[in-house]
Amino acid sequence: DAGVTQSPTHLIKTRGQQVTLRCSPKSGHDTVSWYQQALGQGPQFIFQYYEEEERQRGNFPDRFSGHQFPNYSSELNVNALLLGDSALYLCASSFGVYWQNTDTQYFGPGTRLTVL
Amino acid sequence: AQSVTQLGSHVSVSEGALVLLRCNYSSSVPPYLFWYVQYPNQGLQLLLKYTSAATLVKGINGFEAEFKKSETSFHLTKPSAHMSDAAEYFCAVSDWDREYGNKLVFGAGTILRVKS
Repeated sequence: DAGVTQSPTHLIKTRGQQVTLRCSPKSGHDTVSWYQQALGQGPQFIFQYYEEEERQRGNFPDRFSGHQFPNYSSELNVNALLLGDSALYLCASSFGVYWQNTDTQYFGPGTRLTVL
Repeated sequence: AQSVTQLGSHVSVSEGALVLLRCNYSSSVPPYLFWYVQYPNQGLQLLLKYTSAATLVKGINGFEAEFKKSETSFHLTKPSAHMSDAAEYFCAVSDWDREYGNKLVFGAGTILRVKS
C-alpha cells in the first residue's frame, strides 16, 4: 500500500517565478492538507482540500493556491515567489475529517523549495 | 485557539538513558494530541496519538506518552535511547471544527541527540 507521495523532491526557483507542487494521498484517503515547514520551525498549516474544495485556510496570502482532483490528488501553487517561501512543503492525507475529529494525518516526504 | 509548546529545542541523552521530551498544550475543548518524528531530509512519521481512549498511549519504536489533563501535558518518553532515535520530534494538537474540518497545530520541535 503506497503512502503519501509528493513530487518533485527538490526544486530551485528564482524570485517572482511560479511553482506547482504535487501530492498523491494514501490509498483510501479523501482529504489533503498542505503545510509549510521553514528551516528550524514546526510545520504551519496552509490549507486543506476535501471534495475538490478548499475547506479551510491558514494565515497564508492569496499567492498560495491549490486544487484537488477527482482522484483526490492535489496541487499547491505559489505565485510571485519570495525568498521567504523557501521551505519544506509537506502534504498530508486523511480520511473522514468532517465526522471524526480524531482522524490521523499521514505525511509525505515533502518537497524542498529553494527560492534564489 | 489550540496551541502547543515544546520545552527544550535540543535534548541530549546517552545511549541507553531515559528519553523525555516535553509538550504542553492549550485547548478550549478536549484535545487530541499527536507526536511525530522527522528524520533528516524526510517527512513526518506518526509515533503515537491520544484520542481520549486511554491516558497512557504506546507508540512505535518503544515510545509512549502520558496525557495529564491537570498539567495540560503530553510528554513523550522512551526507557532506553538508541542511536537510531536521533531525530526531530514534533508534538501537535488537533484543531477541529465541525464545519471546516481538522488541521494540526504543531510545536516548534525538539531535536534529540543520542550520544554513544
